[in-house]
Amino acid sequence: AQKVTQAQTEISVVEKEDVTLDCVYETRDTTYYLFWYKQPPSGELVFLIRRNSFDEQNEISGRYSWNFQKSTSSFNFTITASQVVDSAVYFCALSDGNSGGSNYKLTFGKGTLLTVNP
Amino acid sequence: SQTIHQWPATLVQPVGSPLSLECTVEGTSNPNLYWYRQAAGRGLQLLFYSVGIGQISSEVPQNLSASRPQDRQFILSSKKLLLSDSGFYLCAWSIRQFNQPQHFGDGTRLSIL
Repeated sequence: AQKVTQAQTEISVVEKEDVTLDCVYETRDTTYYLFWYKQPPSGELVFLIRRNSFDEQNEISGRYSWNFQKSTSSFNFTITASQVVDSAVYFCALSDGNSGGSNYKLTFGKGTLLTVNP
Repeated sequence: SQTIHQWPATLVQPVGSPLSLECTVEGTSNPNLYWYRQAAGRGLQLLFYSVGIGQISSEVPQNLSASRPQDRQFILSSKKLLLSDSGFYLCAWSIRQFNQPQHFGDGTRLSIL
């Protein structure tokens, strides 16, 4: 069965520090997709990125970057020069062909609460 | 562009009362629709998903039910609320293709007294 582990429950940093959020996944499929979501204090989940299992290139979007390593089954998320507005819960998620017979579903990790202090 | 509306934003209900939460999507056709609950402690629990009108899959046996009377409308209901039904309820939609990202509404905070 698929599984997503976010071992860091809470992280606290000071503004302008870099911070990496870890995500480790388990799946038996060779084709799968990984996602990151941000949940600010207001509550809505905001989709950040989707990567497929065949594309191991790292991705950078402004201060955000993602490191996908199939060898370690990890899809880590780094925020460079963190800001107070980055404070949120961040979720990693997995979608594969074995999601109960339907790969319409996402398996979420339990989330990491990031607090960026001024 | 696509938008998802979920209401109400906040709801306080007594134990034993009925529940109806509504979610509608605009700007897309034939979406997959989802209901999640997020209890204190942050984990997201998938409650129901739907791939079409009248097609509902339940993930967890519980006191809740879902219906999809129209293509872009998804309703979460209960006949009698329990204290354990308190939580943050999120509706989401995705394109009806495999492995697509889900896009979430603003959520409903439900408190049961």
